[in-house]
Amino acid sequence: DAKTTQPNSMESNEEEPVHLPCNHSTISGTDYIHWYRQLPSQGPEYVIHGLTSNVNNRMASLAIAEDRKSSTLILHRATLRDAAVYYCILRAPGAQKLVFGQGTRLTINP
Amino acid sequence: DTAVSQTPKYLVTQMGNDKSIKCEQNLGHDTMYWYKQDSKKFLKIMFSYNNKELIINETVPNRFSPKSPDKAHLNLHINSLELGDSAVYFCASSRVLVGQPQHFGDGTRLSIL
Repeated sequence: DAKTTQPNSMESNEEEPVHLPCNHSTISGTDYIHWYRQLPSQGPEYVIHGLTSNVNNRMASLAIAEDRKSSTLILHRATLRDAAVYYCILRAPGAQKLVFGQGTRLTINP
Repeated sequence: DTAVSQTPKYLVTQMGNDKSIKCEQNLGHDTMYWYKQDSKKFLKIMFSYNNKELIINETVPNRFSPKSPDKAHLNLHINSLELGDSAVYFCASSRVLVGQPQHFGDGTRLSIL
């Protein structure tokens, strides 16, 4: 499984945008980039995924570098509820399992 | 309304006992999973079932036996519990199609005394 590298922790302020980086220099051409988050005392929650183009949904945006060796999850306006561990995961087509790394623990200050 | 539900939420028991954790999903998904999150918070896949058939078994000790009576249920039975089995166990489900997100339950915290 191709590896991802994320900062251990990040901190931001409420109502400000947050950019969570992920490096995946060994990504293969067919790997999808998935993001999940885990709120305290809950199971992981799907956030967004993409292959090559940038993606937007109601939760976040995903910006993918042109060479696909890195990506950034963007929370446009953080709330206290966005405090969680965010996981960047590479997933080959047809792969059933998710391989979680250490993730980034995001703290939101009021 | 709960999409993936696990019972019990907490399980405290003694070493050597046998216990089961139940999981049900009402999303109509055909694939279900068990993940384990240890004390260091690493999440790892244990098993995956598709249409009641085992498709992933990640070198989990055979004291752990998943059972899928139908597509909506995947239970986890653990024999002869050991201290190292203490963890949070998460059930998840998804459609089998490429790239489909997995939906997780809120976990069962298993503590072995």
